[in-house]
Amino acid sequence: GNSVTQMEGPVTLSEEAFLTINCTYTATGYPSLFWYVQYPGEGLQLLLKATKADDKGSNKGFEATYRKETTSFHLEKGSVQVSDSAVYFCALKQGNKLVFGAGTILRVKS
Amino acid sequence: DVKVTQSSRYLVKRTGEKVFLECVQDMDHENMFWYRQDPGLGLRLIYFSYDVKMKEKGDIPEGYSVSREKKERFSLILESASTNQTSMYLCASSPPGTFYEQYFGPGTRLTVT
Repeated sequence: GNSVTQMEGPVTLSEEAFLTINCTYTATGYPSLFWYVQYPGEGLQLLLKATKADDKGSNKGFEATYRKETTSFHLEKGSVQVSDSAVYFCALKQGNKLVFGAGTILRVKS
Repeated sequence: DVKVTQSSRYLVKRTGEKVFLECVQDMDHENMFWYRQDPGLGLRLIYFSYDVKMKEKGDIPEGYSVSREKKERFSLILESASTNQTSMYLCASSPPGTFYEQYFGPGTRLTVT
């Protein structure tokens, strides 16, 4: 079946550092891809999405590009803030379901 | 804003008890989902429902059942709780035709002793 692999965390960065969280997927065809974020004490929320190859999703300064050649959807941000501290989940759409990765904890220090 | 609420944030139950986890959404969404979240495993789908009284098994339905008598409410039932069901349970809902745009509740951390 389809699966999503994320880099293990936690990732610890200083404020204003550049962020990359790696995500690769295994799937039949080219499924839509997503990043969800879970802030402390809250439910997950959709951060960004890309529905086809070479699409770039972006939101709140975060970006991710759908790369079919490398089956990747890495999340990036140029300058992180303390408020970005959260758990980030990569996911793909499989029929009527979402398949999630294990999640990556991001900690940003001031 | 869409609001998804879950009946409890923390719950402690004993092995063998019947456990009900309730989820309510206020945006008239057709689709509702139950997941469990475990460290290193991410979210795994237990059951989902795309309409009142309709349900579909997810990836790990064993030991669970669900009920959807009203559109806004989706209940997860552990018929006889076991220690391996200790986990964080997340409920979500989504508008029709967009299974991917899911709105999540804050979760219920269930401990079975």
